[in-house]
Amino acid sequence: DQQVKQNSPSLSVQEGRISILNCDYTNSMFDYFLWYKKYPAEGPTFLISISSIKDKNEDGRFTVFLNKSAKHLSLHIVPSQPGDSAVYFCAAGSNQFYFGTGTSLTVIP
Amino acid sequence: NAGVTQTPKFRVLKTGQSMTLLCAQDMNHEYMYWYRQDPGMGLRLIHYSVGEGTTAKGEVPDGYNVSRLKKQNFLLGLESAAPSQTSVYFCASRFRGLRNQPQHFGDGTRLSIL
Repeated sequence: DQQVKQNSPSLSVQEGRISILNCDYTNSMFDYFLWYKKYPAEGPTFLISISSIKDKNEDGRFTVFLNKSAKHLSLHIVPSQPGDSAVYFCAAGSNQFYFGTGTSLTVIP
Repeated sequence: NAGVTQTPKFRVLKTGQSMTLLCAQDMNHEYMYWYRQDPGMGLRLIHYSVGEGTTAKGEVPDGYNVSRLKKQNFLLGLESAAPSQTSVYFCASRFRGLRNQPQHFGDGTRLSIL
C-alpha cells in the first residue's frame, strides 16, 4: 500500500501562472519531506525540502507547504516557466524515504 | 564533476540470465540506494547501504542482491532475471548527516527482460 500518494498524474499551467502540486502521506511518524524534479532520460534532482517542525519553506519561485494534521504537502511554483515542465516527485519519511508516483507538469508558453 | 554514474544505461536480457548493475559516486557519500521506477508506481527502494560492507533491504528486495565492497561503489545483481524485473533502475547517494540531506541520483539504467 502506497505510503505517499500524488493523485494528479498530470497538470498543465500557463506560463506566468501558479503551479500547485499536491502530495499526501499516511504515516504520521514521517518528519522530513522533499520534492524532486525529473526530466526525461535523467535522474531526479533535489528541489526543496521541509521538516515537520515547519509549515512552510521557500526557495526563490518554489514554496513547499506542510499541513501535518491533514498529512498533506504541496509545492507552489510562482511564476511558472516553460523550463519547469518535468515530472515532480514528493518523498516523505524519517530514516527511510518513500516516493510518490509523480506529477507531470507542463507549462504552456 | 561526475556525481553518480550508472553502468550500463540500457540492457536487454533473456529470462534466467544474470547481470550486475554498477553504481559509482565520487562525492564521498556514506549512504547509497537502489530504486526501481515502474509506470504508476513511483520510485521503490530495493536495497540500500549506510556504509562500506553493510547493506539492508528496502521495500522490494526479492530477486535482487547487492554488495558495497568499496565506499564509492554499490552493485545491484539479478541472479536469474524475470520479466517482472523489467524496469528503470536508479541509484542514489547522500551524506550521512541530517536526515533531510537530499539524495543525488544517477541517470538510470533501462533494463528489459524478455
